[in-house]
Amino acid sequence: GENVEQHPSTLSVQEGDSAVIKCTYSDSASNYFPWYKQELGKRPQLIIDIRSNVGEKKDQRIAVTLNKTAKHFSLHITETQPEDSAVYFCAASSQGTSYGKLTFGQGTILTVHP
Amino acid sequence: DTEVTQTPKHLVMGMTNKKSLKCEQHMGHRAMYWYKQKAKKPPELMFVYSYEKLSINESVPSRFSPECPNSSLLNLHLHALQPEDSALYLCASSQDNYQPQHFGDGTRLSIL
Repeated sequence: GENVEQHPSTLSVQEGDSAVIKCTYSDSASNYFPWYKQELGKRPQLIIDIRSNVGEKKDQRIAVTLNKTAKHFSLHITETQPEDSAVYFCAASSQGTSYGKLTFGQGTILTVHP
Repeated sequence: DTEVTQTPKHLVMGMTNKKSLKCEQHMGHRAMYWYKQKAKKPPELMFVYSYEKLSINESVPSRFSPECPNSSLLNLHLHALQPEDSALYLCASSQDNYQPQHFGDGTRLSIL
């Protein structure tokens, strides 16, 4: 089955800096890659996703890049703010064959210091 | 705005009790999911329903019994749970199995 590895497990940055979280996946059939943000005691919230037919997607301060050859994808957050502090999970799915089953990475605890 | 509603928010039960968790969405989504999340861990998939039919059971113990009475409602029936079943139980839904999943706030379950 699919295996997703996520790094780093913790990330601490100063407000205004950029943050990058990286994930690698094992199943070459995976074609959908969402990112979720989970604040303490709250639901995982979908913040951005990318499908395998594109290499990059951007939404304001957040961007995701995908390298299918290397089987890795990354989340980039620019101009970080304290409210970006949360746990971030990447995930991978083989849409079309897996009924939407998401395999999650282990999560990255992002702390943005004012 | 996407909204998945879960009740109750908190549940404490003994190992011999029977209880149910409820999940509701009115977005016309045809795929619904149950996840279990332990502290500081990612969500773990338990069940997937697609068009009201069980599509995936991730080898979940029979003390967890899912039910999808209609396209808007998903239940998780609990019976004879163990202390290690204490966790946050999350429901999610998506337009179909190929669209993004949106989570509810979860039910925090404690087994005494």
